[in-house]
Amino acid sequence: ETGVTQTPRHLVMGMTNKKSLKCEQHLGHNAMYWYKQSAKKPLELMFVYSLEERVENNSVPSRFSPECPNSSHLFLHLHTLQPEDSALYLCASSQEHRGAEAFFGQGTRLTVV
Amino acid sequence: GQQLNQSPQSMFIQEGEDVSMNCTSSSIFNTWLWYKQDPGEGPVLLIALYKAGELTSNGRLTAQFGITRKDSFLNISASIPSDVGIYFCAGQGDNYQLIWGAGTKLIIKP
Repeated sequence: ETGVTQTPRHLVMGMTNKKSLKCEQHLGHNAMYWYKQSAKKPLELMFVYSLEERVENNSVPSRFSPECPNSSHLFLHLHTLQPEDSALYLCASSQEHRGAEAFFGQGTRLTVV
Repeated sequence: GQQLNQSPQSMFIQEGEDVSMNCTSSSIFNTWLWYKQDPGEGPVLLIALYKAGELTSNGRLTAQFGITRKDSFLNISASIPSDVGIYFCAGQGDNYQLIWGAGTKLIIKP
């Protein structure tokens, strides 16, 4: 496999559920990102990891919990979400966290019911 | 916070037409990027610009980094059906964070 792979592609969860989104990059990059994409809005940066260390957390509610066990894998743990959290969640990677050129996965379409 | 104004929000075009879209900012950027997103996919990088005044092409796509460093445009020549999708601009300033436009949706007229 090449590039950035996200699983699952689609997820429907209740507000009391706990689920996790997974991202894997095969590009040898050192930085990984979680973005939230809502309809007709700019991409919202959620978290940035550089060399497995979180370097940025853009005031994201604690019901979203990221985890980066190594430079190739990134998780987003979800619990007690709200319907307004329904969106496309995109993972991206770049050579280093100050680099502009990010490569994106296909995203996970999340629906909270 | 920093914002990018991307326009137009959507465009209906005939196959074969040229397309132009742009982004403007109140802040200076050091890097401009243009991405395309197809339905059900993540954004794909089309062109990266690193220098004011730079003009870069990628096939039928041409993008320019505005001389004021506050704007950028993307042109698509002789559009084809596979050009449909949403095009995003993104700018990077001194704090290294990427600021994104809201997207331009390209639709081919039937």
